[in-house]
Amino acid sequence: GEDVEQSLFLSVREGDSSVINCTYTDSSSTYLYWYKQEPGAGLQLLTYIFSNMDMKQDQRLTVLLNKKDKHLSLRIADTQTGDSAIYFCAESIPNSGYALNFGKGTSLLVTP
Amino acid sequence: EAGVAQSPRYKIIEKRQSVAFWCNPISGHATLYWYQQILGQGPKLLIQFQNNGVVDDSQLPKDRFSAERLKGVDSTLKIQPAKLEDSAVYLCASIPRGGAGANVLTFGAGSRLTVL
Repeated sequence: GEDVEQSLFLSVREGDSSVINCTYTDSSSTYLYWYKQEPGAGLQLLTYIFSNMDMKQDQRLTVLLNKKDKHLSLRIADTQTGDSAIYFCAESIPNSGYALNFGKGTSLLVTP
Repeated sequence: EAGVAQSPRYKIIEKRQSVAFWCNPISGHATLYWYQQILGQGPKLLIQFQNNGVVDDSQLPKDRFSAERLKGVDSTLKIQPAKLEDSAVYLCASIPRGGAGANVLTFGAGSRLTVL
């Protein structure tokens, strides 16, 4: 099948904003998700957006969705060193009971 | 609420040996998923259960992988015989039957398999 595409690496300075981009594959996906994975840990849900929305804000996180281009982005404001992790974009697979198709992940490095 | 429990956390075996992973989802969660995450890649769905029935196993390599969820609660994933390319983290996830959060997968910490 087609791949959910993400850039592999992003490096930002502490206090700056981070923007992680994703191109998903299925325009019928009901939900789009961002998960965070720290070394040796499982996947932690950060946020998700319903497909009929174009923006969702949750504290330092802002998700933008462009359905026409199948583009999803995650902005982290005031990025901290504790935000260093791998961030995965995922699309819900239609008619699958919310099974997810993941991208390969973006490794975010926050430097002091 | 207790999270998704998985064991063992780590397993090292030689190729052609067998291994089994266990998952206990969050209490009351009807749908359970097994994902394979190879180093440097995103998780890939292997199999999805609804209660004790298989919903989707289209990406499960059935010549060597098997999974069951006999009583609709715990699940086991078995690999026999293992190959080098099976080295990965095996993640279990579950979602509730309905209501708030019914669209959000909760993942366990994973079982890391190394095949030598």
